Amino acid sequence: DAKTTQPPSMDCAEGRAANLPCNHSTISGNEYVYWYRQIHSQGPQYIIHGLKNNETNEMASLIITEDRKSSTLILPHATLRDTAVYYCIVRPSNDYKLSFGAGTTVTVRA
Amino acid sequence: KAGVTQTPRYLIKTRGQQVTLSCSPISGHRSVSWYQQTPGQGLQFLFEYFSETQRNKGNFPGRFSGRQFSNSRSEMNVSTLELGDSALYLCASSLGGARDTQYFGPGTRLTVL
Repeated sequence: DAKTTQPPSMDCAEGRAANLPCNHSTISGNEYVYWYRQIHSQGPQYIIHGLKNNETNEMASLIITEDRKSSTLILPHATLRDTAVYYCIVRPSNDYKLSFGAGTTVTVRA
Repeated sequence: KAGVTQTPRYLIKTRGQQVTLSCSPISGHRSVSWYQQTPGQGLQFLFEYFSETQRNKGNFPGRFSGRQFSNSRSEMNVSTLELGDSALYLCASSLGGARDTQYFGPGTRLTVL
């Protein structure tokens, strides 16, 4: 499975956009990029996923570079409730499991 | 639509005992996966069930087992508990295809004394 690299932590201001980077330089053509987040001691929450096109839903936007070696999750207007650990996962299309790394601890400050 | 539910939410056991955890998937979902989360190892995949059959298995000892019922509800069992089994146990459900999104439950916090 392709590995991902995320910064261990980042802060952002409430009301501002939060841009979370993820590097996946060894990604293969059939591997999807998934984002989940986990608020303290709760189950991970699905945010968004994509293959090569940019994706947007009610929670966030996912920007994948043209070479697919990196991506950015954008939370358009961060709130205090967005404070969580964010996981970027590369998942092969034929793999039923999710392989979690350490993620990025995002702290939204008032 | 109701989300994934797990019972019990908290559990305290002693070493050597066994424990059974339960997971009810989202209605219509046929796949249930189990994960263990500890501070040291993070989130690790235990196994996945689909149509009452174990389809995928992670790298855990045989003390960890599971099953799935015809209504897609799943249970996992840990026998001969060890202190290191203290963890948050999470289940996730999906429709069952390899590209289908997994949705997680709130987890069961197991403490082994």
